[in-house]
Amino acid sequence: GAVVSQHPSWVICKSGTSVKIECRSLDFQATTMFWYRQFPKQSLMLMATSNEGSKATYEQGVEKDKFLINHASLTLSTLTVTSAHPEDSSFYICSARDGLAGDNEQFFGPGTRLTVL
Amino acid sequence: GESVGLHLPTLSVQEGDNSIINCAYSNSASDYFIWYKQESGKGPQFIIDIRSNMDKRQGQRVTVLLNKTVKHLSLQIAATQPGDSAVYFCAERKGNAGNMLTFGGGTRLMVKP
Repeated sequence: GAVVSQHPSWVICKSGTSVKIECRSLDFQATTMFWYRQFPKQSLMLMATSNEGSKATYEQGVEKDKFLINHASLTLSTLTVTSAHPEDSSFYICSARDGLAGDNEQFFGPGTRLTVL
Repeated sequence: GESVGLHLPTLSVQEGDNSIINCAYSNSASDYFIWYKQESGKGPQFIIDIRSNMDKRQGQRVTVLLNKTVKHLSLQIAATQPGDSAVYFCAERKGNAGNMLTFGGGTRLMVKP
């Protein structure tokens, strides 16, 4: 149980285009989802927290107009990197928790490798 | 700002030996700590957790020790195996931070056969 998937697992795009990454909880209701970014050989940095049906809360320094997050259902959150540039190339990881079950544990997805040319 | 950090960026051990990975944290308000294992190109995998009201917790081949006096967390892996080779992260959660996790810098564990 408690499986989180991400799609796509990797994507290559041209500079200036937008890319959408999906995060799904497969067997539980994700009341809260978290989006992280991880640069090579670095730790995970929290970008934003989203609660189902609400606007995402972004961490300091993360542009909300560039990284659009939608969490419209209890099993799906999307991260759209708008007008992507090479410096946005990174490993994007989502995690989810089931707040309805009173569960504090975060379950992580397998990550999405974004390369912007 | 407050952060979680690690003493050693890379740890190399012989197969069969015990491994100890350390983590220092600075936020005394943190009430929950987790160790994650991350293999190359994959998401973090939960290993073991500990709450601040405990000082030791054991799992299968792994033990987490928490020393709140010096704000130190460690992960001990017994009889290290090649499959344990990965990057290990500690993470902390502040009690009133809405379940947000702050990750440490990571330690790469390399197991020599």
